[in-house]
Amino acid sequence: AQKITQTQPGMFVQEKEAVTLDCTYDTSDQSYGLFWYKQPSSGEMIFLIYQGSYDEQNATEGRYSLNFQKARKSANLVISASQLGDSAMYFCAMREGPKGSSNTGKLIFGQGTTLQVKP
Amino acid sequence: SQTIHQWPATLVQPVGSPLSLECTVEGTSNPNLYWYRQAAGRGLQLLFYSVGIGQISSEVPQNLSASRPQDRQFILSSKKLLLSDSGFYLCAWRLEVNYGYTFGSGTRLTVV
Repeated sequence: AQKITQTQPGMFVQEKEAVTLDCTYDTSDQSYGLFWYKQPSSGEMIFLIYQGSYDEQNATEGRYSLNFQKARKSANLVISASQLGDSAMYFCAMREGPKGSSNTGKLIFGQGTTLQVKP
Repeated sequence: SQTIHQWPATLVQPVGSPLSLECTVEGTSNPNLYWYRQAAGRGLQLLFYSVGIGQISSEVPQNLSASRPQDRQFILSSKKLLLSDSGFYLCAWRLEVNYGYTFGSGTRLTVV
């Protein structure tokens, strides 16, 4: 069964430094998608970055990059130049099956990592 | 542009009372719709998903149910709430041809 594991319940980082949030996944599908979401204390889920299993380049979105190591089944999120507003809970998630197909597109989440940025 | 609306934002209900949470999507058609629940400080657990009107799949057996009476409306219900139903409920939508998932603002339910 598909599974997402985030082993860091909580992380601290100094403002302006980079931080890596770990995510490993387990799937038997050849085609899948990996996502990172940010959840501030308000509860909203904010999409950060996406990586398709067949994408050869690591995804980047502004200060966010995804370190995708397919053989190791890891999809770590790197936040560069941390800001105080980055303090939030971060979730790694995986979509079963390929995009654009008639599959259900269920998104499975890890347990999350709480990131606190220190001034 | 597409938007997703979820209400109410907060709800306090006594044990044994009924529940109805509504989620509507605007600006798109035939989306896949999802209900998730999040316990405090935990990850999101998929409860139900729907790929079309009247089509509901349940992921976790419990005393909750879902319905999709219209293409862009997804309702989460319970006839009798339990204390364990407390949590943060999030609705999400996705188009099959698009990888993006968009979440509603959530409903914080406290069963007392």
